[in-house]
Amino acid sequence: GQQVMQIPQYQHVQEGEDFTTYCNSSTTLSNIQWYKQRPGGHPVFLIQLVKSGEVKKQKRLTFQFGEAKKNSSLHITATQTTDVGTYFCAGGMIKAAGNKLTFGGGTRVLVKP
Amino acid sequence: DTEVTQTPKHLVMGMTNKKSLKCEQHMGHRAMYWYKQKAKKPPELMFVYSYEKLSINESVPSRFSPECPNSSLLNLHLHALQPEDSALYLCASSQGAFWDEQFFGPGTRLTVL
Repeated sequence: GQQVMQIPQYQHVQEGEDFTTYCNSSTTLSNIQWYKQRPGGHPVFLIQLVKSGEVKKQKRLTFQFGEAKKNSSLHITATQTTDVGTYFCAGGMIKAAGNKLTFGGGTRVLVKP
Repeated sequence: DTEVTQTPKHLVMGMTNKKSLKCEQHMGHRAMYWYKQKAKKPPELMFVYSYEKLSINESVPSRFSPECPNSSLLNLHLHALQPEDSALYLCASSQGAFWDEQFFGPGTRLTVL
């Protein structure tokens, strides 16, 4: 079936370093959203990308949507301990059975102080 | 008020019990969702209500029965659950369309004995 894949599954980062997490879909997406879930918490919306090739920035976070609208990335610069959590991408799919968001498997980020 | 509330926070039930999970939002959102999340996994969509009508049922077993009494409330009725149904059950809401930002509640941690 249609899936949204995320890599890496785990990311161990030294505080102050940069890292990138990637999201790939087998089909063209209408939009992509990114969520962050802190340990013991619930997913919190970060950003939405809609246009092909779109790039958005939020302070140290940079989000990209691929030209073919099948992939996306989240780049975090100068990682801080507050960045700990699991980052999920969620791809929007338009289907006859109903339009919905499909979540990727998530990238669990651990920060070493 | 930008909050989605869920009750109870924790629930332990036997396989013969009947219980209900409740979700409430007062943001005027017209779409509401139930997700199931297992440990270290992404949220898995179960049901979508749009304008108080069930629009998506992701082939969820009939032992889970959703109900949307009005635009602010969403219930999930549980009956004859199995131990493998133990998980975090998340409710979410969005403005209207599936591409809108989803606001998640804190979840109900369900344990089935």
